[in-house]
Amino acid sequence: GAVVSQHPSRVICKSGTSVKIECRSLDFQATTMFWYRQFPKQSLMLMATSNEGSKATYEQGVEKDKFLINHASLTLSTLTVTSAHPEDSSFYICSASTPFSGTSGVVDTQYFGPGTRLTVL
Amino acid sequence: AQSVTQLGSHVSVSEGALVLLRCNYSSSVPPYLFWYVQYPNQGLQLLLKYTTGATLVKGINGFEAEFKKSETSFHLTKPSAHMSDAAEYFCAVSLFNNAGNMLTFGGGTRLMVKP
Repeated sequence: GAVVSQHPSRVICKSGTSVKIECRSLDFQATTMFWYRQFPKQSLMLMATSNEGSKATYEQGVEKDKFLINHASLTLSTLTVTSAHPEDSSFYICSASTPFSGTSGVVDTQYFGPGTRLTVL
Repeated sequence: AQSVTQLGSHVSVSEGALVLLRCNYSSSVPPYLFWYVQYPNQGLQLLLKYTTGATLVKGINGFEAEFKKSETSFHLTKPSAHMSDAAEYFCAVSLFNNAGNMLTFGGGTRLMVKP
């Protein structure tokens, strides 16, 4: 259980084009989805948090007009990199969270997708 | 605010040897702690998590981790390394907050297993 898919797994595009990445929770409904960016040999950097039916919350320094996030349903979130440039080349990973009970109440566990490697020429 | 420190960006062990990956955290409230593994060009896979109760947590692939509050640590261990364990390992901490489960990741430790 708790499988998250991403599509495409790899994309190469020309500078100036837009790229859409899909993230789906296949066997559960995700209350929240997260988008991360990972540079080579580095840790994950949270870009934004999105809840179904509401606007995404972006981390400081992340351009919301460049990285458009749509969370249309409890199983699907999309990240669109608009007017991509070579510096946007990176590994983009999404996660979907589902709740479990902790001592402080309900806390979500994140399950990660396999990632999308974006290369902008 | 919380933070996670993973001592050693690279750890190399021989096949069959003990694996020890270190993780220390700082948090203003009792944290929830996670270990994830990432194989090349793949997303993260949850190895184990600590939420409450027993401080020794067993995960998949023979890994376990012990939450030590006094040491603010959550080190990951495996008694006997296998070649297939070679990967990047991330420790993460989360707090319950209004934004949901915000994970803060450590810098990662690359585990190499020598034959």
